Amino acid sequence: AQTVTQSQPEMSVQEAETVTLSCTYDTSESNYYLFWYKQPPSRQMILVIRQEAYKQQNATENRFSVNFQKAAKSFSLKISDSQLGDTAMYFCAFTNTGTASKLTFGTGTRLQVTL
Amino acid sequence: EAQVTQNPRYLITVTGKKLTVTCSQNMNHEYMSWYRQDPGLGLRQIYYSMNVEVTDKGDVPEGYKVSRKEKRNFPLILESPSPNQTSLYFCASSFEWVPSAYNEQFFGPGTRLTVL
Repeated sequence: AQTVTQSQPEMSVQEAETVTLSCTYDTSESNYYLFWYKQPPSRQMILVIRQEAYKQQNATENRFSVNFQKAAKSFSLKISDSQLGDTAMYFCAFTNTGTASKLTFGTGTRLQVTL
Repeated sequence: EAQVTQNPRYLITVTGKKLTVTCSQNMNHEYMSWYRQDPGLGLRQIYYSMNVEVTDKGDVPEGYKVSRKEKRNFPLILESPSPNQTSLYFCASSFEWVPSAYNEQFFGPGTRLTVL
C-alpha cells in the first residue's frame, strides 16, 4: 500500500523568509504523480503544485517549488518570500496509475507565517 | 463558475438518525470521490465513482453509502451515523478517472459533521 509521511506537524516562518516542508512516500510503482495542497482557515483545498514522477525537472509555480528526489522517495515543498496569506495546513498527496485517481494524503503540516 | 458544491456545510445530528450530504459538480466530470479529514490522519478516501452507476469503496467505507445516478451528483449517505463519523467531509471531482498530474481534482468547500 502507498503511504505518505509528513514528519513536521507544525512549522513557523517569518514573513519574506524561505521555508521547506518535508514529505516522503512509499510506493512500488514507477509511474505516479505527486501534489501539494494548501488548506487555509477557510478549509478549501487548493492545489499548489504538481509533479510527474517520470520528469526529472523539479516543478515550480511562482514562489512555490519542489525538490523531487525519486530514489529517496522525497518530495519537499519550498516556499520563498513567505507571505501572511501562506498561513495554512499543507498536505502532500500521491496518486498512481493503479488507483483510479485516488489521492493518498499525508497527515499535514501546519505552517504559520509571522510578522 | 466551475465548482463543486456540498450541502449542508455544517450539520449536527444524533446517533442513528439517517442523513445525506449532497455533492454536485457543474464541470461534466467523470470521476467523483468522497474523503473525510480527521486531525492527525489527513484526508482518507471513503468512496469513489468512475462514472454513472459505477462506484467502489475507498479506504474507509464502513458506515457509508453512495450512489451515482446522474453524472453531476454524488451524495454520501450515512444510514445510522455514529460519533466516530464526526469529521470534515470533502467531495472532489476530476475530468476523468485516469490518474495524471493534470487530471486535477477539484474539491468542494467541505461539510463539518458532528454526531452526538
